[in-house]
Amino acid sequence: SQQGEEDPQALSIQEGENATMNCSYKTSINNLQWYRQNSGRGLVHLILIRSNEREKHSGRLRVTLDTSKKSSSLLITASRAADTASYFCANARIQGAQKLVFGQGTRLTINP
Amino acid sequence: DTEVTQTPKHLVMGMTNKKSLKCEQHMGHRAMYWYKQKAKKPPELMFVYSYEKLSINESVPSRFSPECPNSSLLNLHLHALQPEDSALYLCASSQERQGASDTQYFGPGTRLTVL
Repeated sequence: SQQGEEDPQALSIQEGENATMNCSYKTSINNLQWYRQNSGRGLVHLILIRSNEREKHSGRLRVTLDTSKKSSSLLITASRAADTASYFCANARIQGAQKLVFGQGTRLTINP
Repeated sequence: DTEVTQTPKHLVMGMTNKKSLKCEQHMGHRAMYWYKQKAKKPPELMFVYSYEKLSINESVPSRFSPECPNSSLLNLHLHALQPEDSALYLCASSQERQGASDTQYFGPGTRLTVL
């Protein structure tokens, strides 16, 4: 399977704390993307990092990419209850069209 | 308009039924995707259409038949499904700039139950 792995599978923290999720993948990639999903709904795109980038920020989100280790991490700072969701990384390869392969996901719970 | 819409939201069908899922976007995107997501699992790619042509078929059984009538619409025709096909079916679209990194925009999904 080309699916990546994420850890932890589940993470529960207090509001205001930082949350870190890790992702690994198996093949060479064009970019890596992070998505959020609330309770079986559609996915919301959070951030895209290209294979030649090492770090990217968007608001309270910080993503790193280490292509030598085929890994990425997502840091959410100053977490809020509304951040409770499942978070997926997806590695992208261009095969004509862009093909996304999703990791297993991390279920994040923010306790008020 | 940055929205991908999917209809219906919920669908219950028998194994002998024929039904269709519909997806629509008006962002001018030229790539559209179908994903299948089982409970507590990640989405899995089924099909990709690029410029209204089928670009990727991830060895999906023929009981699932995609169709892209125009650049804004994507259908998934369902026939003789099995109970294990019950899942959330997600549609997505992206700009499809050749060789570029593109964000995919997802619809809310259709929750399919096969009895």
